[in-house]
Amino acid sequence: EVQLVESGGGLVQPGGSLRLSCSASGFTFNNYAMIWVRQAPGKGLEWVSAISGSGDGAYYTDSVKGRLTISRDSSKNTLYLQMNSLGADDTAVYYCAKSDCGDIGCKLVDSWGQGTLVTVSS
Amino acid sequence: DIQMTQSPSTLSASVGDRVIITCRASQSINSWLAWYQQKPGKGPKLLIQKATSLQSGVPSRFSGSGSGTEFTLTISSLQPEDFATYHCQQYRSSLPTFGGGTKVEMK
Repeated sequence: EVQLVESGGGLVQPGGSLRLSCSASGFTFNNYAMIWVRQAPGKGLEWVSAISGSGDGAYYTDSVKGRLTISRDSSKNTLYLQMNSLGADDTAVYYCAKSDCGDIGCKLVDSWGQGTLVTVSS
Repeated sequence: DIQMTQSPSTLSASVGDRVIITCRASQSINSWLAWYQQKPGKGPKLLIQKATSLQSGVPSRFSGSGSGTEFTLTISSLQPEDFATYHCQQYRSSLPTFGGGTKVEMK
């Protein structure tokens, strides 16, 4: 059974940084692209970033380019999202998600974590 | 970006009702559409991919139809465990986008 468990969320001041982690199990981690999706309070889901199974390709939505960095550690079966220069618009539940294949172009999400809340506020 | 518009945003229904949720894309996405179910405090669960293909283990009362720009999710006979929020997602473009969600609540 696929399991995705996020951690690292919390309260951070505007301009601050946070690193989210996602521990993955139940599948061969290197074989699948991984994704971060967020949901702001009262809003719909938003695709944030994705990384290929091999880690050599990454994608970011425009609003986070230059501030958020996705990475993965195959030795730990863990996905990361380094978040810098955070603003109020980044307040959201962040979900770790697994794609259905390994390429960066794989965009069907077949498994989701439970999410971790990031609140940007002074 | 491809905009996805779901309707209604909220739907009140009773157990046994037939429920239909609509998702409209701002341009053709062929059949690259998925439906997810989300319950409070949980991540979404994939129900349907490629507009009509039911995921393994998903009850047959769920079905999807459509292609191009107009899609529907139908629950043929609503069960107590189906009260949840439903999201559509297009995965045709380089930036996948989601609809705003439809909350199915008890009448």
